[in-house]
Amino acid sequence: AQKVTQAQTEISVVEKEDVTLDCVYETRDTTYYLFWYKQPPSGELVFLIRRNSFDEQNEISGRYSWNFQKSTSSFNFTITASQVVDSAVYFCALSEAWSNYQLIWGAGTKLIIKP
Amino acid sequence: KAGVTQTPRYLIKTRGQQVTLSCSPISGHRSVSWYQQTPGQGLQFLFEYFSETQRNKGNFPGRFSGRQFSNSRSEMNVSTLELGDSALYLCASSLVVISGNTGELFFGEGSRLTVL
Repeated sequence: AQKVTQAQTEISVVEKEDVTLDCVYETRDTTYYLFWYKQPPSGELVFLIRRNSFDEQNEISGRYSWNFQKSTSSFNFTITASQVVDSAVYFCALSEAWSNYQLIWGAGTKLIIKP
Repeated sequence: KAGVTQTPRYLIKTRGQQVTLSCSPISGHRSVSWYQQTPGQGLQFLFEYFSETQRNKGNFPGRFSGRQFSNSRSEMNVSTLELGDSALYLCASSLVVISGNTGELFFGEGSRLTVL
């Protein structure tokens, strides 16, 4: 069973539009971490954010914001006023206490920002 | 400071051969983990090392192995290569000392292996 689901395989928007990337996770653990990473064409994954299961506060960092909702097991990522440089593949990931915090990755969402 | 360095960046092997990939973590990082990325299976965890000890292992056959040296540099080895081993192999280092991935990982650009 998919533990981290990123249902959007690819999203294409025009620059300056807002875009939300969805992430739904599945866990029976009470202690877990959720992450978002960005993978530009160069290949290396770049850390964006980490949330633990006890901290449901939403976070904003510049044009990026994250909405963590345990009630719906979702950890969605919104880019406001998108820019061409935001084009990349974005991954959501989960690590759970019971599995010694091994990272489980979603399939990724390819985001294309057109000028 | 220098990032995570992986070598070689690209390599081509034939079935049955073996390959060794190298990873130099960020200075001061003692935790190193490895991931395989393929179009079909996505990103999958291989193993994690800390202070020369393997702390976690993913669900891969014994042909995949790794080690870590006293300077935290790590290598992974794949023996008896199969076509399905063609992938981008990513290494990541972390400052976090507890086992597993609970904090920020710093990734290298990966080693792209093609098996013919």
